[in-house]
Amino acid sequence: DIQMTQSPSTLSASVGDRVTITCRASQSMSSWLAWYQQKPGKAPKLLIYKASSLESGVPSRFSGSGSGTDFTLTISSLQPDDFATYYCQQYNNYPWTFGQGTKVEIK
Amino acid sequence: QVQLVQSGAEVKKPGSSVKVSCKASGGSFSNYAFHWVRQAPGQGLEWMGGIIPIFGTINYAQKFQGRVTITTDESSSTAHMELSSLRSEDTAVYYCASGISGSYYRFDYWGQGTLVTVSS
Repeated sequence: DIQMTQSPSTLSASVGDRVTITCRASQSMSSWLAWYQQKPGKAPKLLIYKASSLESGVPSRFSGSGSGTDFTLTISSLQPDDFATYYCQQYNNYPWTFGQGTKVEIK
Repeated sequence: QVQLVQSGAEVKKPGSSVKVSCKASGGSFSNYAFHWVRQAPGQGLEWMGGIIPIFGTINYAQKFQGRVTITTDESSSTAHMELSSLRSEDTAVYYCASGISGSYYRFDYWGQGTLVTVSS
């Protein structure tokens, strides 16, 4: 199985900050990586697919990059609605696996 | 717009089974793939398995092999996930998630989640 490791686990930031979350895969993979946002009590929401493609309707302050084993999600200017938990997920090899999540908190 | 509506919360005894349903609307059912993802209280997301009817393929995570069965019923536009031999560790919110043609392997759309509580 491909293990996905996110860092940091928790991130404290202020509105307007640039935020970067990292996801590392246990083995090299192509760009079949997605990022999701989850708020308490809600289902996850797709933000980014194929490592860097922005899902329709997602604000352009979200961006993704990376290949091989290292991937990043960047929020260019953190907004109040962005405080949530973020998960990466690989769909390169079965079983699909998620990172453990990164909680973005208000500083 | 694709919409997934799941069945309601369940309380089950250890050793029993649960079947969760996920009704799809807003697209052609034959173009859907359905996946099941669970989330234990306070924990992360865990993929259990998925079905792509148009390809005739079903894949399960090894962890759930033998205990989980994923099916679809095109006549009612519904996907089902049945988990057997329930134990307390299976207490979680179970989500169905779907991709459509061109995105079968990622989770573009999500149901609202179904809480399954396993308790004696």
